Amino acid sequence: KQEVTQIPAALSVPEGENLVLNCSFTDSAIYNLQWFRQDPGKGLTSLLLIQSSQREQTSGRLNASLDKSSGRSTLYIAASQPGDSATYLCAVSYLFQAGTALIFGKGTTLSVSS
Amino acid sequence: GAGVSQSPSNKVTEKGKDVELRCDPISGHTALYWYRQSLGQGLEFLIYFQGNSAPDKSGLPSDRFSAERTGGSVSTLTIQRTQQEDSAVYLCASSFSGEYNEQFFGPGTRLTVL
Repeated sequence: KQEVTQIPAALSVPEGENLVLNCSFTDSAIYNLQWFRQDPGKGLTSLLLIQSSQREQTSGRLNASLDKSSGRSTLYIAASQPGDSATYLCAVSYLFQAGTALIFGKGTTLSVSS
Repeated sequence: GAGVSQSPSNKVTEKGKDVELRCDPISGHTALYWYRQSLGQGLEFLIYFQGNSAPDKSGLPSDRFSAERTGGSVSTLTIQRTQQEDSAVYLCASSFSGEYNEQFFGPGTRLTVL
């Protein structure tokens, strides 16, 4: 059974710091891994998608890496800003009975203070 | 529309009543997913539709939950005889077909069962 764990559960940093969010999964048979951002009371915004054959993806100040064999992914946020405050969710695309769906971690809640 | 839309945005109902939640996927997306986000449980997969194929219902928590997708587009999630533990945010996502494609999420429907 696939399980996704995110560490830490919460993180508070001052503005300008570089930070790393961690995600681990128990079964390496994944198709891809997505990082999402969720603001309070809102839906999910996709940040980065890494295919199972890829090692990393970058978008602006965000960089996500994937080590499928060890079951790990990291999301690196450079020069954090107060607007980055949100919950960050990691999800892996995994095979269910008749197709694939995402299995999510419980998220890391980030607070960036100015 | 430009993104996945869901209605209603909020629904308050009494225990024992039936509710219907609607999802309108991104035009051209053949895959549609329902997820549930509840306190303490995180985000969990419920059901998956791919085109006109039979849906993958492996995530549905009980037989009170059902979903249909008409004409390969709009989907309705129905919860019969609602219970207080059904209170959660119900999220819909869509993607192009195939296991490697990125999922895009709607804003969700917040269901409260009194």
